[in-house]
Amino acid sequence: QSVLTQTPSVSRAPGQRVTISCTGNSSNIGAGHDVHWYQQLPGTAPKLLIYGNNNRPSGVPDRFSGSKSGTSASLAITGLQAEDEADYHCQSYDSSLSDSVFGGGTKLTVL
Amino acid sequence: QVQLVQSGAEVKKSGASVKVSCKASGYIFTSYYMNWVRQAPGQGLELMGRINPNGGSTSYAQKFQGRVTMTRDTSTSTMYMELSSLRSEDTAVYYCARGGRHFDHWGQGTLVTVSS
Repeated sequence: QSVLTQTPSVSRAPGQRVTISCTGNSSNIGAGHDVHWYQQLPGTAPKLLIYGNNNRPSGVPDRFSGSKSGTSASLAITGLQAEDEADYHCQSYDSSLSDSVFGGGTKLTVL
Repeated sequence: QVQLVQSGAEVKKSGASVKVSCKASGYIFTSYYMNWVRQAPGQGLELMGRINPNGGSTSYAQKFQGRVTMTRDTSTSTMYMELSSLRSEDTAVYYCARGGRHFDHWGQGTLVTVSS
């Protein structure tokens, strides 16, 4: 069982907007630690998508954005495209575990 | 450009050990921590630990303490992760991933299959 909680799956139609949530507690997200997001296309390694809550690495389209509030964080994707179909993982730091922790991942299906 | 190239797939018997390598290029090897993350079939990502290539100090997740050893060879810019006393639950893809709090580059992954 993952320390950070994510909805296992979500589906949307092309062109729509989707938000993927990541819920933690007072030891990780709620303690003010940054949240990072990774995109994992089928059969490939994860790729950094958002770091430091809302920063995009070079090359990541601005259709992807991140936010954080309280003990939760969200990844928003607008103008969904077929190639956005992937697993999305959140990550933060946990003070009680003194280590980074991941969510269980959310599988996004673009219908 | 930054590249992390891992060794090939492995099939091991229960109780055996496996050693996975991760060769880094395109950046100053000693400037970034290297993490090892695994992903069991159909599961999420699990951090196993990390190594500071500048000095070789390590930090392992409690779950893997006593079974995992992470090392590096600065002469070849290669990281190693060895996991011992393998059991079926260790069947997973193992990734090396560069970085401190977030991981900006990942290896392609190494599938380790543990059979009884």
